[in-house]
Amino acid sequence: RKEVEQDPGPFNVPEGATVAFNCTYSNSASQSFFWYRQDCRKEPKLLMSVYSSGNEDGRFTAQLNRASQYISLLIRDSKLSDSATYLCVVNGRDTGNQFYFGTGTSLTVIP
Amino acid sequence: NAGVTQTPKFQVLKTGQSMTLQCAQDMNHEYMSWYRQDPGMGLRLIHYSVGAGITDQGEVPNGYNVSRSTTEDFPLRLLSAAPSQTSVYFCASSYSGLAGSRNEQFFGPGTRLTVL
Repeated sequence: RKEVEQDPGPFNVPEGATVAFNCTYSNSASQSFFWYRQDCRKEPKLLMSVYSSGNEDGRFTAQLNRASQYISLLIRDSKLSDSATYLCVVNGRDTGNQFYFGTGTSLTVIP
Repeated sequence: NAGVTQTPKFQVLKTGQSMTLQCAQDMNHEYMSWYRQDPGMGLRLIHYSVGAGITDQGEVPNGYNVSRSTTEDFPLRLLSAAPSQTSVYFCASSYSGLAGSRNEQFFGPGTRLTVL
C-alpha cells in the first residue's frame, strides 16, 4: 500500500469554478502535511502547510481529517494560472524524517 | 539568497559512466534530500541528511552514494549509470526534517538525466 495516494485526475474546470482535491495517507502517526504545486518540467513549490485546525490562504483552503487520514485542498474562483499538478506530502517522526509524496493531481483551468 | 541550486541542468551519460550531481543551499538548512521523479511514480526519496556528517538511505538508494561534509552541499554520485536511472533528480532542503517543526522543503530546479 502506498504511503500517500491521490486521484491523478485530470481535473478540467472552467475559470471561476471551485475545485477540491483529496489525498489519503496510510500512516496514522504522520504529523506534518503539505500541499505543493508543480508546473510542467519545473520543481515543486510549497503551496501551503496543512494544520490540524485547517488553514486558508486567499482562494486556497486546506483541511486535515486525522480520523479518516486524509487531507484536502479547496481552490475557489479558479484562475488560468492555477493550472498545474498538486502534490500531497506527508512526514512523520516514525518514518525516520522521510517525506512521502503523492503522485499528484493534474488541474487544468479552461477559459 | 539563491535558495537551492543544482548543476548540471541536463546530462546525458552512457551506461557504466559515473558522475556527480551537485546541490547547494544558502539558507543554513540542516535537512537535505535527493529525490527522483518518474512519470506516474511521484517523487521518491533516494538519500537524505539531517546534518553535516550524517546521511541515510531513502526508498530507492541503490546505485547512488551521497556525502555531507558541509551544511551547504549535498552531492549525489551515480556509481555506474544504468538506463533505469534516467529520470529527473531534485534536491531539496528544509530547516529541519523533524515532523511538527519548520520542515517545509524547498526544491532546486532539477537535473534531467538520460542514460543511454
